Amino acid sequence: GAVVSQHPSWVICKSGTSVKIECRSLDFQATTMFWYRQFPKQSLMLMATSNEGSKATYEQGVEKDKFLINHASLTLSTLTVTSAHPEDSSFYICSARDQQGAMNTEAFFGQGTRLTVV
Amino acid sequence: GDSVTQMEGPVTLSEEAFLTINCTYTATGYPSLFWYVQYPGEGLQLLLKATKADDKGSNKGFEATYRKETTSFHLEKGSVQVSDSAVYFCAAGRAGTALIFGKGTTLSVSS
Repeated sequence: GAVVSQHPSWVICKSGTSVKIECRSLDFQATTMFWYRQFPKQSLMLMATSNEGSKATYEQGVEKDKFLINHASLTLSTLTVTSAHPEDSSFYICSARDQQGAMNTEAFFGQGTRLTVV
Repeated sequence: GDSVTQMEGPVTLSEEAFLTINCTYTATGYPSLFWYVQYPGEGLQLLLKATKADDKGSNKGFEATYRKETTSFHLEKGSVQVSDSAVYFCAAGRAGTALIFGKGTTLSVSS
């Protein structure tokens, strides 16, 4: 099946610094990718929808200036957590759906990135 | 908006027991339905899916049937194994849109 690669799988950073997380679709084109955040023992909460060549669409309550999303190509979306603080520590997961071909295809998920801000 | 509700866990079973995890959805129209599994420290893996009413998804002994009349997609397995211990997420979505997830159900299977 299709593969979505997310990097890094874990990162520890100091408070006030910025962290970039990459999400790549390896064998299909993804005009749209999705970024989720997962708190411990909780479900995935959609943060934003990343659209290739245009601005991301953020969910209510998500600070767009803090969570910068760039989708510069059909296979790469990046999430940058700017001026990270301990409360930003979480598990971030990206997802992409192969939009060429059958409708309602499954969503493929990256491995997730464990961010710890100290 | 669309939503997914699944039974809260944790669910604790002995090996070879029967498993049911309930999932219902609220949506306009007929979204595709999915079950994902997450092992500790890992991302989500698709377990099974169904794209239209009465479809049955199945994989690794797990099954779920898309029931339009009850807006449900309950996950079942006849005989669980210790290796099935994980968190299971029910999700719904349409082509090109983000999936909506349930809260997840933790399954623990003991030998």
